[in-house]
Amino acid sequence: DAGVIQSPRHEVTEMGQEVTLRCKPISGHNSLFWYRQTMMRGLELLIYFNNNVPIDDSGMPEDRFSAKMPNASFSTLKIQPSEPRDSAVYFCASGWRGEQFFGPGTRLTVL
Amino acid sequence: GESVGLHLPTLSVQEGDNSIINCAYSNSASDYFIWYKQESGKGPQFIIDIRSNMDKRQGQRVTVLLNKTVKHLSLQIAATQPGDSAVYFCAERGSNYKLTFGKGTLLTVNP
Repeated sequence: DAGVIQSPRHEVTEMGQEVTLRCKPISGHNSLFWYRQTMMRGLELLIYFNNNVPIDDSGMPEDRFSAKMPNASFSTLKIQPSEPRDSAVYFCASGWRGEQFFGPGTRLTVL
Repeated sequence: GESVGLHLPTLSVQEGDNSIINCAYSNSASDYFIWYKQESGKGPQFIIDIRSNMDKRQGQRVTVLLNKTVKHLSLQIAATQPGDSAVYFCAERGSNYKLTFGKGTLLTVNP
């Protein structure tokens, strides 16, 4: 199994641009989580899905952030418009029976 | 509200020594706790977990202890190796598989 796949691994963009992060969870897992990690705030849960349905999006910072899971094998996290304070590492985690398996992350830099 | 904190932000040990990483949590309703290891440039990796109805759980070279009376969690690593150098996070689970992570402890193993 390839594990959780995230793309891109690195993204550098300018303020105001739209950013789309992608995640392919582990096949057969029924939960998917998006996290953001910064030095100041640590690892924060943004949103999670169960069986492709968003269950809790209380961690999404503001309306500029949106996430979708159109099917069991794909999810996106979109930031529009992006701001410098969105710079962070974004992790996707795939869940099964309470256990979460993290992807390698996407390092986002907004200039 | 929920919070998970770590007593020691950094820990430096000699190769071969035992390491103890501590964590305090505040949500007495949490029923499940996990330790993750995060190496540089990678996502958090599951190490060991423990349910709230247990006090101790052992894995390969690692032991997790849970003291619900004082809401304290610890990770013990036996015969620490250079490959153990990483940031270690504790996490607690409240409801709906939502994890709250601590800030992390940086473990450095000196050869």
